[in-house]
Amino acid sequence: DQQVKQNSPSLSVQEGRISILNCDYTNSMFDYFLWYKKYPAEGPTFLISISSIKDKNEDGRFTVFLNKSAKHLSLHIVPSQPGDSAVYFCAGPPGNTGKLIFGQGTTLQVKP
Amino acid sequence: NAGVTQTPKFQVLKTGQSMTLQCAQDMNHEYMSWYRQDPGMGLRLIHYSVGAGITDQGEVPNGYNVSRSTTEDFPLRLLSAAPSQTSVYFCASSRGAKGTVYGYTFGSGTRLTVV
Repeated sequence: DQQVKQNSPSLSVQEGRISILNCDYTNSMFDYFLWYKKYPAEGPTFLISISSIKDKNEDGRFTVFLNKSAKHLSLHIVPSQPGDSAVYFCAGPPGNTGKLIFGQGTTLQVKP
Repeated sequence: NAGVTQTPKFQVLKTGQSMTLQCAQDMNHEYMSWYRQDPGMGLRLIHYSVGAGITDQGEVPNGYNVSRSTTEDFPLRLLSAAPSQTSVYFCASSRGAKGTVYGYTFGSGTRLTVV
């Protein structure tokens, strides 16, 4: 049972344009969602989070949108830069369990 | 400040051998977790701990054991390695009650190959 799903394995965009990464979830018990970024041969790094009581959170070039009725969230990167090329994971904690469940990841390539 | 330290970085095992992947954090974090990353599967939770002396199973716990005798350390044991355990393993820790607002801090990973 995949509670957090990222259905697009890869995305390619031009530098300066918007990147939109999508994530769907099946469990309504998630209180927060997080996005992580991962470069090859490194551990994932925390990027941005959103509480389930909000529908938007912004941090510089990164904005996360949450649509609770659709059980869908998305990460927008504007403008995209070549250094943003990485694997992006969405994640959430199901209920008050202390564990974090990740999606399959989306590989973003930003072309100069 | 070292953060989350994993050792070793690389390891090759023969089928049936045992080993322990080490994880240590110096941030006094309560929550620690082990994940494995496989192509197309994302990061899957193996075991996690919400404090010293407390552990629980994640999504893929079979073949792995953990213990948490101190706040700092959270070793992952493979009792009898199998080729299906070939993967990259990540340890993570968090100070938050739910590890969400603050996010989890990850180590740099251990690449394990079982032949």
